[in-house]
Amino acid sequence: DAKTTQPNSMESNEEEPVHLPCNHSTISGTDYIHWYRQLPSQGPEYVIHGLTSNVNNRMASLAIAEDRKSSTLILHRATLRDAAVYYCILSRSWGNKLVFGAGTILRVKS
Amino acid sequence: EPEVTQTPSHQVTQMGQEVILRCVPISNHLYFYWYRQILGQKVEFLVSFYNNEISEKSEIFDDQFSVERPDGSNFTLKIRSTKLEDSAMYFCASSDEGFKGTEAFFGQGTRLTVV
Repeated sequence: DAKTTQPNSMESNEEEPVHLPCNHSTISGTDYIHWYRQLPSQGPEYVIHGLTSNVNNRMASLAIAEDRKSSTLILHRATLRDAAVYYCILSRSWGNKLVFGAGTILRVKS
Repeated sequence: EPEVTQTPSHQVTQMGQEVILRCVPISNHLYFYWYRQILGQKVEFLVSFYNNEISEKSEIFDDQFSVERPDGSNFTLKIRSTKLEDSAMYFCASSDEGFKGTEAFFGQGTRLTVV
């Protein structure tokens, strides 16, 4: 499985945008980029995914670099409820599993 | 919003005992998964299940583990003879297209404590 690299932790102020980076320099052409998050004491929760183009949904935006070797998850206005571990994960188009890394711990200050 | 339901939320069992963790995936989903998370560690993939058979499994998923979809709605994980190191949160997940291009829904987990 192709690896991803994320910062161990980040901090944000409430109501401000947050940009969570992810490097995946060994990504292949058929790998999807997924973002999940895990709030304290809960199961992982889907955030967003993409292949080549930038994506927006009600939770976040995903900006994918043109060479696809990196991506950024954007939370437009962080709330205290967004404090969680955010995982950037690659999956093959034929794949049937997601391999979670350590993720980025996001702390949101009020 | 649809959800994956897991029962029980917490199970305590004696070492060496068999335990069955239960999951009700989202009704029209076709792909089912088990993951586990030992306290303070990463979420680890155990097994994926599609079309009534295991499609992929990790090294963790040895002969002590088995999965079943006994009645078309439940999805179970059985651990035959539990060890202390099996203590963890176990998460069930389901999706309609695998992980290739869609979202997976995870349950809230079952906390398994082996004593």
